[in-house]
Amino acid sequence: DGGITQSPKYLFRKEGQNVTLSCEQNLNHDAMYWYRQDPGQGLRLIYYSQIVNDFQKGDIAEGYSVSREKKESFPLTVTSAQKNPTAFYLCASTSGRNNNEQFFGPGTRLTVL
Amino acid sequence: AQSVTQLDSQVPVFEEAPVELRCNYSSSVSVYLFWYVQYPNQGLQLLLKYLSGSTLVKGINGFEAEFNKSQTSFHLRKPSVHISDTAEYFCAVRVDTGFQKLVFGTGTRLLVSP
Repeated sequence: DGGITQSPKYLFRKEGQNVTLSCEQNLNHDAMYWYRQDPGQGLRLIYYSQIVNDFQKGDIAEGYSVSREKKESFPLTVTSAQKNPTAFYLCASTSGRNNNEQFFGPGTRLTVL
Repeated sequence: AQSVTQLDSQVPVFEEAPVELRCNYSSSVSVYLFWYVQYPNQGLQLLLKYLSGSTLVKGINGFEAEFNKSQTSFHLRKPSVHISDTAEYFCAVRVDTGFQKLVFGTGTRLLVSP
């Protein structure tokens, strides 16, 4: 079955540590996205990538970094510069510029201890 | 900038009762609207979308929504809810700024009780 996988489902981090969240899709989608979800705030766009080796900052990119070396993979690194990283992180993908539906992964819940 | 407003943060309802979840968007030339559902600790699943054509859109799980251009609304409705409909619902609008992007509302938590 095609879909998006995110790992791990739960992640704990000590303050000052960088951590990388995995996102993999086998839908052959060109575009991929990372969102952050906080209670009462909906989803906010962190980074997006239209094609391999290209990515753009979203609305809240500070303290985060990404890479897109393969079409299937779009990992997100939460760096120590992110002041409040505890949140639920969602990865999504869509097949192209004119496609209107984003498909979402199951999410990773990051907690900073 | 385009935006989405979901005025109700939480909507309690009894099983088998009808429900309406409200969504208003900021006006734009072309409007593409979506409703997603999120069950606890899961990702988002598309319920329905409006791209063009009929203003009444039917989705999965018995949900429907009506696009109202004059009121800039896209309210979600279901005539009879089930316990399993308990979830968070997000309205979103597509923004084209050289690339497709979704702007989400803050969500409405639907609580269905027996």
